[in-house]
Amino acid sequence: DTEVTQTPKHLVMGMTNKKSLKCEQHMGHRAMYWYKQKAKKPPELMFVYSYEKLSINESVPSRFSPECPNSSLLNLHLHALQPEDSALYLCASSPSLAQGYEQYFGPGTRLTVT
Amino acid sequence: QKEVEQNSGPLSVPEGAIASLNCTYSDRGSQSFFWYRQYSGKSPELIMFIYSNGDKEDGRFTAQLNKASQYVSLLIRDSQPSDSATYLCAPVGGNEKLTFGTGTRLTIIP
Repeated sequence: DTEVTQTPKHLVMGMTNKKSLKCEQHMGHRAMYWYKQKAKKPPELMFVYSYEKLSINESVPSRFSPECPNSSLLNLHLHALQPEDSALYLCASSPSLAQGYEQYFGPGTRLTVT
Repeated sequence: QKEVEQNSGPLSVPEGAIASLNCTYSDRGSQSFFWYRQYSGKSPELIMFIYSNGDKEDGRFTAQLNKASQYVSLLIRDSQPSDSATYLCAPVGGNEKLTFGTGTRLTIIP
């Protein structure tokens, strides 16, 4: 099984809402990532978890809150978002954080903030 | 200077020809290099990776790496319409983060 799954596929939320994005992998990977991708731009790294601990936070605003409940799951909690946060949110996983390990991406959640 | 530079294109190549995609990077600590393909509205899909200087072939794809010149390329032989996509170069930096280039949009003309 080389699949990373993400739910929901699409999400529309108001600026006062609280919602969560979910990511799951069953490949035994110990590193998991959140990326944000705007139209016609490359993915931008947001957070990295390694062995269920937050390893990298790319100075992301606190309205985005990541959580790694176990080695297979990664959540991204959203609160008080702005319209400019509308984007495709991608989850990825890799066997390890070390160099040389390829990342596998999920299909993404397309988020629209109204 | 951008960390990872790619020609944004669009690059138009006739069907059956060789498509050549180029990428330069600034982080000399980069040891691993990945090429991802991304269809419009879809997530990136890994197609090639290379760690050593020289060429690496996988089917119709060949990755070429020159660490001294900080240059990595992807050749696609016998281009097919299904190869039309954006190709993202992604070195792993000394900080172990994957940094994506802006991507090259490739169009294969039937």
